[in-house]
Amino acid sequence: EAQVTQNPRYLITVTGKKLTVTCSQNMNHEYMSWYRQDPGLGLRQIYYSMNVEVTDKGDVPEGYKVSRKEKRNFPLILESPSPNQTSLYFCASSSRPLAGGPGNEQFFGPGTRLTVL
Amino acid sequence: AQKVTQAQTEISVVEKEDVTLDCVYETRDTTYYLFWYKQPPSGELVFLIRRNSFDEQNEISGRYSWNFQKSTSSFNFTITASQVVDSAVYFCALTSGTYKYIFGTGTRLKVLA
Repeated sequence: EAQVTQNPRYLITVTGKKLTVTCSQNMNHEYMSWYRQDPGLGLRQIYYSMNVEVTDKGDVPEGYKVSRKEKRNFPLILESPSPNQTSLYFCASSSRPLAGGPGNEQFFGPGTRLTVL
Repeated sequence: AQKVTQAQTEISVVEKEDVTLDCVYETRDTTYYLFWYKQPPSGELVFLIRRNSFDEQNEISGRYSWNFQKSTSSFNFTITASQVVDSAVYFCALTSGTYKYIFGTGTRLKVLA
């Protein structure tokens, strides 16, 4: 079954304790991305990756790191989480952008609800 | 800067009513793509439609239809004869040559039986 998986699905942690949220896709997609969803703010892109070893910042990258060492995996790292990073996080992937620009639909993971105390 | 505005925060309709969700976008790029996604109460995000900037044809899929108008920078979504299962948050999104995706703040649709 084609899917994007995220782990953990729920996480409660404390300020400053480093954590990693894993994301994996089995569709051989080149493009992967992380979003956070907050009430009233919709989804905001944190980081994205066009392919292995190619990553770039989205609109809200502060406090986050990513890596893309393998095509299927795109972990999100919070080196020193703070309460303002309490949110619902989604990973997404899509196939190679269409000629002339991006634009393929994204497949989303089930989400990770993170609470930072 | 790119922007997507969904001015309707929440809409309530009675089953079988038609409802239109508005999406207004801003971009300086001539090539761009617009999307609609659905987030039902279970929380997953489901792709509904993609439209590129060179294709202004309206599209209909069952009870769903989309009206893309470059002149007003709008990409509106209409549900005909709404059903309770249509209750969800709907997001409009925009992407272009920067490979960034910009989502609107979403419209929560409540369809009452």
